[in-house]
Amino acid sequence: AQSVTQPDIHITVSEGASLELRCNYSYGATPYLFWYVQSPGQGLQLLLKYFSGDTLVQGIKGFEAEFKRSQSSFNLRKPSVHWSDAAEYFCAVGAVYGNKLVFGAGTILRVKS
Amino acid sequence: DAGVTQSPTHLIKTRGQQVTLRCSPKSGHDTVSWYQQALGQGPQFIFQYYEEEERQRGNFPDRFSGHQFPNYSSELNVNALLLGDSALYLCASSLPPGDAEAFFGQGTRLTVV
Repeated sequence: AQSVTQPDIHITVSEGASLELRCNYSYGATPYLFWYVQSPGQGLQLLLKYFSGDTLVQGIKGFEAEFKRSQSSFNLRKPSVHWSDAAEYFCAVGAVYGNKLVFGAGTILRVKS
Repeated sequence: DAGVTQSPTHLIKTRGQQVTLRCSPKSGHDTVSWYQQALGQGPQFIFQYYEEEERQRGNFPDRFSGHQFPNYSSELNVNALLLGDSALYLCASSLPPGDAEAFFGQGTRLTVV
């Protein structure tokens, strides 16, 4: 069965500092991987996705993620965090793009000035 | 383009009652998925509709049912509400699997008292 683990429930970083959010997945075949962001009381916005090819994917708002098959990981990174990045971030795995998604429990990002 | 729209935004119901939530997909999308997001958790897949039929179902009891109309809009019905059904219900629309991105609505916040 598919599963996603986000080990960090909360992360606090200073504005301008770099960010890495961890995601580990369990899936029997080549996964489709996603990162979503959710602001309080809002729906989910797709930041980036990985299907195949280059293991380093670029997304919106300056985010990137790297797929590491050997570590079953898909960590999200940003070189310089802005206060507006404060939100909850979800990693998800799917069998087929647009199909059922399995989400992690999320990581809440706090940005301190 | 209005994107995915859900109604109502908030709802309060009493235990044992029934509730219907509505979703209009993004223009051009014909696949609708429903997710339940309990407080502090990631979204969990309820079911997916395509061509007016339930195509996939997650691990939810039969109290949860749905419908898709010819215009691709969808309803989620929950019978015999329990306190544990209190959650944010998210609708996502997409094109058929293989070449689609799931777009999420803002959600319906259901509170069962």
